[in-house]
Amino acid sequence: QVQLQESGPGLVKPSQTLSLTCTVSGGSITSGGYSWSWIRQPPGQGLEWIGFIYYSGNTYYNPALKSRVTMSLDTSRNQFSMRLSSVTAADTAVYYCARVWFGELSPYLDYWGQGTLVTVSS
Amino acid sequence: DIQLTQSPSFLSASVGDRVTVTCRASQGIRSYLTWYQQQPGKAPKLLIYAASTLQGGVPSRFSGSGSGTEFTLTISSLQAEDFATYYCQQVNSYPWTFGQGTKVEIK
Repeated sequence: QVQLQESGPGLVKPSQTLSLTCTVSGGSITSGGYSWSWIRQPPGQGLEWIGFIYYSGNTYYNPALKSRVTMSLDTSRNQFSMRLSSVTAADTAVYYCARVWFGELSPYLDYWGQGTLVTVSS
Repeated sequence: DIQLTQSPSFLSASVGDRVTVTCRASQGIRSYLTWYQQQPGKAPKLLIYAASTLQGGVPSRFSGSGSGTEFTLTISSLQAEDFATYYCQQVNSYPWTFGQGTKVEIK
């Protein structure tokens, strides 16, 4: 059973960089056909897709965040990470990591972490 | 970006009711539509992908249909554990986007 777990600081100051890591167990992040995604949800609001990183290391970011986001893989630890720079209060959200399966019919997010709340405040 | 509009945004229903949620896309997305269920304080859970394919382990009372710009999620007989918020997501083109959500509450 694949499991994902987010980790990182729960409080970040404005203008600083938010850094989160997702640890994957029950499967390898370098398995073909998968990519690894980040999604966020501001308190009481809907979901926003941030982007994903392929098992090969290639990335795709939401253009709304592209100038501030960087994703990476750490294959030795079976982890993937996200950095979001120059944060403001608008970046306060629950951040989820998830696995993307590029199936024959359609891609979909099949396994999710439990989410971690990141608050941007001085 | 492709916009997804769900209706209704809020739905009050009773156990045993048949419930339908609609998701409309601002442009055609073929069948690249996914449905998720989110319980309060929990991560979203995959229900249906490719508009109508049920994810393994999801009860058969859930079904999806549609293509192009209009899609529906149907729960044939609402159970207590189905009270949650439902989101559609398009994966036809980048950036992937979500609908605003439909909250299903107990009448």
